[in-house]
Amino acid sequence: DTEVTQTPKHLVMGMTNKKSLKCEQHMGHRAMYWYKQKAKKPPELMFVYSYEKLSINESVPSRFSPECPNSSLLNLHLHALQPEDSALYLCASSQVLGGAPVWQFFGPGTRLTVL
Amino acid sequence: QQQVKQSPQSLIVQKGGISIINCAYENTAFDYFPWYQQFPGKGPALLIAIRPDVSEKKEGRFTISFNKSAKQFSLHIMDSQPGDSATYFCAASMGQSGGYQKVTFGTGTKLQVIP
Repeated sequence: DTEVTQTPKHLVMGMTNKKSLKCEQHMGHRAMYWYKQKAKKPPELMFVYSYEKLSINESVPSRFSPECPNSSLLNLHLHALQPEDSALYLCASSQVLGGAPVWQFFGPGTRLTVL
Repeated sequence: QQQVKQSPQSLIVQKGGISIINCAYENTAFDYFPWYQQFPGKGPALLIAIRPDVSEKKEGRFTISFNKSAKQFSLHIMDSQPGDSATYFCAASMGQSGGYQKVTFGTGTKLQVIP
């Protein structure tokens, strides 16, 4: 299985809602990533988990809360979002190899619209 | 120093022609240079990648040329096909102490191959 899956595919939420995005991989990868991608822009890194521990938080607002419950799952909890948070949210995973480059495999993304 | 500059922003090529996308970077600590292909509504997919100690890498119709001294690299798509129409992102990545890679993306090139 060389796939990263993300659910839901589309999500519409109001500014007062709480929702969660889910990402799953079964490639045995021990690093997982959340990216945000606005239209016609490159992906921007939000968070990195390595061995289920948060390793990078790129100064993301606290209304985004990541969680890595186990080595295959990555969640992104959303609360009190703003319309400007509307974007494609991408999950990626990779091996963790000391000193060697690793490929990041991306999921199809969740298209989020905040009303 | 973390930027990766990419050009052109958009490219129209006739079927059977050669598509060329150029990228430049500043930070010599980057140790891996992948190219990603992204179709509308999908996540980026790794296309081809190169390490800085290699000057050229070819996979099928896709070739990366790498000039370490000039800190530039490019993607050539030979015999371009309408199915190649997508957005292409060059990237540069750097290994982190946790064993994963932090990827910096270029701004993207929207390629359209016309029949």
